[in-house]
Amino acid sequence: NAGVTQTPKFQVLKTGQSMTLQCAQDMNHEYMSWYRQDPGMGLRLIHYSVGAGITDQGEVPNGYNVSRSTTEDFPLRLLSAAPSQTSVYFCASVSKPGNLYGYTFGSGTRLTVV
Amino acid sequence: GQQLNQSPQSMFIQEGEDVSMNCTSSSIFNTWLWYKQDPGEGPVLLIALYKAGELTSNGRLTAQFGITRKDSFLNISASIPSDVGIYFCAGQNYGGSQGNLIFGKGTKLSVKP
Repeated sequence: NAGVTQTPKFQVLKTGQSMTLQCAQDMNHEYMSWYRQDPGMGLRLIHYSVGAGITDQGEVPNGYNVSRSTTEDFPLRLLSAAPSQTSVYFCASVSKPGNLYGYTFGSGTRLTVV
Repeated sequence: GQQLNQSPQSMFIQEGEDVSMNCTSSSIFNTWLWYKQDPGEGPVLLIALYKAGELTSNGRLTAQFGITRKDSFLNISASIPSDVGIYFCAGQNYGGSQGNLIFGKGTKLSVKP
């Protein structure tokens, strides 16, 4: 099925552990982004990419790394998890940012850091 | 950075009532959007507004892009139980390859049958 696939759906980490949240899309979208959603805070942009090999920081990039080696994949890495990174993470993609009705969000990864 | 103030934070209404929520910004946006999020899912776009003053409907939903380009509202008429969820406004300034979405903090809607 076409769309944005995020894995895993749920994850519990211990403080200091590292992990990668996966995001894949099969729509040949150039633009991909990662958001985190905290209660009462809406969605905040972590990192984004306008194409393979190009990434940039969003509003809350600290503690997260990204890379974009292919058009399809945009993994988000937590190098040393902290309790403040407990959140729900959403990946989104679109062909071009101006194609607003083409924005597709994944169903999220719920991360708990203890 | 740019911030969106969305109100109210939550609403608890009776089925059949009309709902109104709004969003204001400290700066101008070229585009305003309204999303709905169901539990356990990502946001889904309801309405996109491209021009200042624009009024757009999508079924029972009506949204307007404020004339100052710093605000927008969403109305839902004759609410039904499936309207339950969190509604987000978002703004975008699109240029070149850039066009990140800035989200409000959401309005949680609960509907009593």
